[in-house]
Amino acid sequence: DVKVTQSSRYLVKRTGEKVFLECVQDMDHENMFWYRQDPGLGLRLIYFSYDVKMKEKGDIPEGYSVSREKKERFSLILESASTNQTSMYLCASSLGTGALGSPLHFGNGTRLTVT
Amino acid sequence: AQSVTQLGSHVSVSEGALVLLRCNYSSSVPPYLFWYVQYPNQGLQLLLKYTTGATLVKGINGFEAEFKKSETSFHLTKPSAHMSDAAEYFCAVSGPDSNYQLIWGAGTKLIIKP
Repeated sequence: DVKVTQSSRYLVKRTGEKVFLECVQDMDHENMFWYRQDPGLGLRLIYFSYDVKMKEKGDIPEGYSVSREKKERFSLILESASTNQTSMYLCASSLGTGALGSPLHFGNGTRLTVT
Repeated sequence: AQSVTQLGSHVSVSEGALVLLRCNYSSSVPPYLFWYVQYPNQGLQLLLKYTTGATLVKGINGFEAEFKKSETSFHLTKPSAHMSDAAEYFCAVSGPDSNYQLIWGAGTKLIIKP
């Protein structure tokens, strides 16, 4: 079974802090994704990566950056956390190019609260 | 542009009753279609998917969905609801219109009444 592990289940940070969310997958997947999930809005794509050191902006990249130095690890960075970034963050991985029939495998999520 | 509409943010059914969760999409060509389930305090997991072939797709936990091109729908059903089915369900679509990125519905929370 594919395992996608997010380093923290819950995080509480202060406004202005730099925040790192880490994600590791163990199935040699090429693609990795970061989503945020808010009630009534479904999942919104922040960034994705289809290869090491490659990254692409999703629908809502503002205020975020990412890093993929190794194939199995994809980090989401909030350069200066703000209260409107309080949310559930979900990491996912998949085989192949894009989501061409290949399902996403999700981690359990990190619930981030910015105060 | 592709879009996905899930009718009803909350659906409530009695244990043992039919579950029907609705999903409609817009796409210029037949897309790939997915249903994911999210149990409380967990990530999402794939319930079933349609790529090509048979339009009636069976998934895990007794769920199935039918791709109806003429209605641009991919509704999720289960004949008899169980308490353990209480979760949030997400419909998603991908295809050339979205450069094969997943487009997500807003989700439907399924409530099971004893």
